[in-house]
Amino acid sequence: AQSVTQLGSHVSVSEGALVLLRCNYSSSVPPYLFWYVQYPNQGLQLLLKYTSAATLVKGINGFEAEFKKSETSFHLTKPSAHMSDAAEYFCAVEGGNKLTFGTGTQLKVEL
Amino acid sequence: EAGVAQSPRYKIIEKRQSVAFWCNPISGHATLYWYQQILGQGPKLLIQFQNNGVVDDSQLPKDRFSAERLKGVDSTLKIQPAKLEDSAVYLCASSPRAPQQADTQYFGPGTRLTVL
Repeated sequence: AQSVTQLGSHVSVSEGALVLLRCNYSSSVPPYLFWYVQYPNQGLQLLLKYTSAATLVKGINGFEAEFKKSETSFHLTKPSAHMSDAAEYFCAVEGGNKLTFGTGTQLKVEL
Repeated sequence: EAGVAQSPRYKIIEKRQSVAFWCNPISGHATLYWYQQILGQGPKLLIQFQNNGVVDDSQLPKDRFSAERLKGVDSTLKIQPAKLEDSAVYLCASSPRAPQQADTQYFGPGTRLTVL
C-alpha cells in the first residue's frame, strides 16, 4: 500500500527566505505524487504533480518539487517565501486511482 | 467556471442525530469524491463515484454513513446516527474523467461538522 510521510507538522520561515517542506513516500510501484495547498476555510488546491516525466516539477505560485527515487522523496520548495504562502500543505501519493494524503505541514511566514 | 459547491459550510449537531451534506461538482465532471478530514490529519477518502455508480466505498463506515449521486450530478452524504468521532471537515472533490492515473481533483470548501 502507498503512503506518504510529511516531516514537520509546523514550519516557520521569514518572508523572503527559502521554503522547504519535506515529503517521503512509500510505494511498491512507480508513484504519482502530488502537492496540494489548503488556505483557511477553503478546499485543497493542486500545486503540482509528478507523473514520471521530468523529475523536477514546477507548479503554481513559484513552487517546485523534485522527485528523488533513491531517497523516496518529493520535497516542495520555493526560493523566496511570501506572506500569502501561509497555509497548510499536503503531500499525496496515488494508488489504485485513489489519493492517500500525508498529515500536512502548516507553513507560517513571518515578517 | 464555477468550482465545487458544498452546503452547509458549518453544522453543529448532538450525538445520535442525523445530518446530510450536499455537493455539486464542476459541471461535466464524471468522478466525484467524498473525503473526511479530521483535525490534524490529511483527508481520507470515504467514497468515490463515477457518474452515478460507486467505484470505491471500502473506507465508508456503512453502518452509519451513506452516500448517493442520483443522475450522476450532485451528491449527498448522510450520517445517521452521528458519533462524537465524526467531528471533521467533509470535503467533496470532482475530476473531469473516469478515474485514471494522475488525474487532478478539484476540491470544494468543505462542511465543518461538530458533534456534541
